[in-house]
Amino acid sequence: QKEVEQNSGPLSVPEGAIASLNCTYSDRVSQSFFWYRQYSGKSPELIMSIYSNGDKEDGRFTAQLNKASQYVSLLIRDSQPSDSATYLCAGPLGGADGLTFGKGTHLIIQP
Amino acid sequence: DAGITQSPRHKVTETGTPVTLRCHQTENHRYMYWYRQDPGHGLRLIHYSYGVKDTDKGEVSDGYSVSRSKTEDFLLTLESATSSQTSVYFCAISRTSGLGTDTQYFGPGTRLTVL
Repeated sequence: QKEVEQNSGPLSVPEGAIASLNCTYSDRVSQSFFWYRQYSGKSPELIMSIYSNGDKEDGRFTAQLNKASQYVSLLIRDSQPSDSATYLCAGPLGGADGLTFGKGTHLIIQP
Repeated sequence: DAGITQSPRHKVTETGTPVTLRCHQTENHRYMYWYRQDPGHGLRLIHYSYGVKDTDKGEVSDGYSVSRSKTEDFLLTLESATSSQTSVYFCAISRTSGLGTDTQYFGPGTRLTVL
């Protein structure tokens, strides 16, 4: 069974600090990964996508992918209360169409 | 925002009744997906479509059927709803398959309660 694992949290981070979210996956074939943010009662919204080993930065967000370790992370710098949400890691595992999602990490930014 | 709508947005039905959920897109994307989201399980793929009349099963397809007669519409049918199908259902679209670099964009969701 191809899986994506995330710590469900909650992860509590002070406002202005760096929030670090982690994800591991079980399929060495996967070529791309996506981080989605989901506010309570809303649909998932794409934050970052990453396709190659290394770091990818977009504003306050940095995604990191290590295919050898099957590990992907999301760093949020200068965390804001509006960043409080559930963050979902997802990848196309097992050679199939569609994404396999982790269960999500609940992030709380404390003012 | 991607042009995706879902209808109905909320529905309460009784066990044993048929239910159809509709996903409509204005992006002319080839791929469409149905996911369900449940506490403790996250998002799980039910069915997907890679073109008009072309569909395939996902991880949790039992009890569900789909149809796609037009590029813009993807229907999810629960032939005989059960309480275990109480969930939030999300439709998603992408230009190409999830195997590539293309992103999936999600609709607003349908909250279904089966009593």
